Amino acid sequence: AQTVTQSQPEMSVQEAETVTLSCTYDTSESDYYLFWYKQPPSRQMILVIRQEAYKQQNATENRFSVNFQKAAKSFSLKISDSQLGDAAMYFCAYTTGANSKLTFGKGITLSVRP
Amino acid sequence: NAGVTQTPKFQVLKTGQSMTLQCAQDMNHEYMSWYRQDPGMGLRLIHYSVGAGITDQGEVPNGYNVSRSTTEDFPLRLLSAAPSQTSVYFCASSYSKGSEAFFGQGTRLTVV
Repeated sequence: AQTVTQSQPEMSVQEAETVTLSCTYDTSESDYYLFWYKQPPSRQMILVIRQEAYKQQNATENRFSVNFQKAAKSFSLKISDSQLGDAAMYFCAYTTGANSKLTFGKGITLSVRP
Repeated sequence: NAGVTQTPKFQVLKTGQSMTLQCAQDMNHEYMSWYRQDPGMGLRLIHYSVGAGITDQGEVPNGYNVSRSTTEDFPLRLLSAAPSQTSVYFCASSYSKGSEAFFGQGTRLTVV
């Protein structure tokens, strides 16, 4: 079975600084996708970034980028120039290319200090 | 474009009561799922559907039923509510395998 591990339950970052959220996963599949979702206090789940496993290039979306290390099964999220609105819970998630079922990590709560 | 609509947003049930959480999407997505979110547990898959008439169990299906009679709707039924089903429930839909999942706003359910 696939597993997703987020070992840090909480992190804090100073506004305008950079923070990296860690995620590791375990799978025997070769075709899969990885995601980072943000959940602000409103409870809404918002896609931050998506990575296709067959692509070597790391995905980026504005201030958000990933470090995808396929051999190490690591998928960390880097947030640059942190803003107060980045404060939220962040979930790492995985799905195979065979379906759309998501396996989530336990999440990490990110706080941003002004 | 409404996306994924879940109702109700909040619900309190007594132990043993039954209820249906509604989920509808207007994006013509084939894939729909139900997850529950518990503190420290992340989101866990309850049931899943790849199209009208096709459903499958996820990681935590006990105590829940689903059906998918149309592409748009994917209701989740609690047959006899138990305090262990106190949770936040999310419905999600996606266009294809591996594509972004769009989530509803969630239902906070409390069983007393």
